Amino acid sequence: DAKTTQPPSMDCAEGRAANLPCNHSTISGNEYVYWYRQIHSQGPQYIIHGLKNNETNEMASLIITEDRKSSTLILPHATLRDTAVYYCIVRVWYSGGGADGLTFGKGTHLIIQP
Amino acid sequence: SAVISQKPSRDICQRGTSLTIQCQVDSQVTMMFWYRQQPGQSLTLIATANQGSEATYESGFVIDKFPISRPNLTFSTLTVSNMSPEDSSIYLCSVVSGEETEAFFGQGTRLTVV
Repeated sequence: DAKTTQPPSMDCAEGRAANLPCNHSTISGNEYVYWYRQIHSQGPQYIIHGLKNNETNEMASLIITEDRKSSTLILPHATLRDTAVYYCIVRVWYSGGGADGLTFGKGTHLIIQP
Repeated sequence: SAVISQKPSRDICQRGTSLTIQCQVDSQVTMMFWYRQQPGQSLTLIATANQGSEATYESGFVIDKFPISRPNLTFSTLTVSNMSPEDSSIYLCSVVSGEETEAFFGQGTRLTVV
């Protein structure tokens, strides 16, 4: 799986949009971009994933550049509960089911300030 | 998403002993994985638990140290054998279900070896 690069930490004011960048310059054509977060002492929580189009769900938006070499996770209105380590992961998806385990980097520690 | 239960949630064990961690899912899943998270570190994939056959281990992890069972599509166990203080970590179970591509995680087992 391709390697990702994320800033080690970021601060964001409560109520503002949090924009978390991720570089994945060696991503392959069949690799998806996944975002997970881990709140202290809990298991990782799935947030969103995408291949090449921008995606949005109830938690966040994912913006992937046209060349797919980088992406940005957007939390539109950050709250104190969004303080967590956010992991950007690229992974091959196999049609018909089946998956490899995830390769976690160090992630970005996002701290939401009151 | 699948509901994943891990037992025990935490334990303190004597060095030289073994601990078996259970992962129970409320629905049949395609893939099951085990991860380790050492203190202050990110998650590392230990192995893929294969139903009815030997697990597939990642580099640096061996069956004698981390035997894994997966007797059916909803249950798996990970044993940490002949424990030393270096095995003190959080151990997490993860599943991928059917055609879904996102993985879901249990809350983890916090192991302390003394």
